[in-house]
Amino acid sequence: RKEVEQDPGPFNVPEGATVAFNCTYSNSASQSFFWYRQDCRKEPKLLMSVYSSGNEDGRFTAQLNRASQYISLLIRDSKLSDSATYLCAVDTSGTYKYIFGTGTRLKVLA
Amino acid sequence: EPEVTQTPSHQVTQMGQEVILRCVPISNHLYFYWYRQILGQKVEFLVSFYNNEISEKSEIFDDQFSVERPDGSNFTLKIRSTKLEDSAMYFCASSGVAPNEQFFGPGTRLTVL
Repeated sequence: RKEVEQDPGPFNVPEGATVAFNCTYSNSASQSFFWYRQDCRKEPKLLMSVYSSGNEDGRFTAQLNRASQYISLLIRDSKLSDSATYLCAVDTSGTYKYIFGTGTRLKVLA
Repeated sequence: EPEVTQTPSHQVTQMGQEVILRCVPISNHLYFYWYRQILGQKVEFLVSFYNNEISEKSEIFDDQFSVERPDGSNFTLKIRSTKLEDSAMYFCASSGVAPNEQFFGPGTRLTVL
């Protein structure tokens, strides 16, 4: 099993839709979890950290499920500008070394 | 908003040549990182640096690679003898008070011919 896995997509959704992505991780001792957004040929931009209690930032909600070893990202009311690749990053060892997933590509359609 | 900067944005070099990629982390950050992303692949950790020494390095970061913080602002990645397979986007990142939250620079696209 890969350390961090994501469905590559693409997820094609209409504007205004709600879409959710999951990211599974193999190391149950993983410490910290993050969602990044990456536009084509650009750097990853931190979207949000994922806390045990879950967290929300506007239209974005992140959840952590330690029992099943996955994190999720929910995007409500999708905008055209949300089209990007969403990367999950996991600090599996508590040493600030991130393991990234391959990313899930989202296309929001007009 | 403070950001990580990297130079050059694109570097083309011949196989076997040395390259130095430069980064200026966010000014009050203490932890520095290099990652790379081969076209079409995932972002991969290379090395982390704290308190003027390497904290951790990956298997990719072999003897051909080195990092340095030559002054109070720059953080560099040197590849001594580039190979074709070193062609990738190299991202510098830094983190600070919340050491887990890493912020990435725009990257240097390295092309080895």
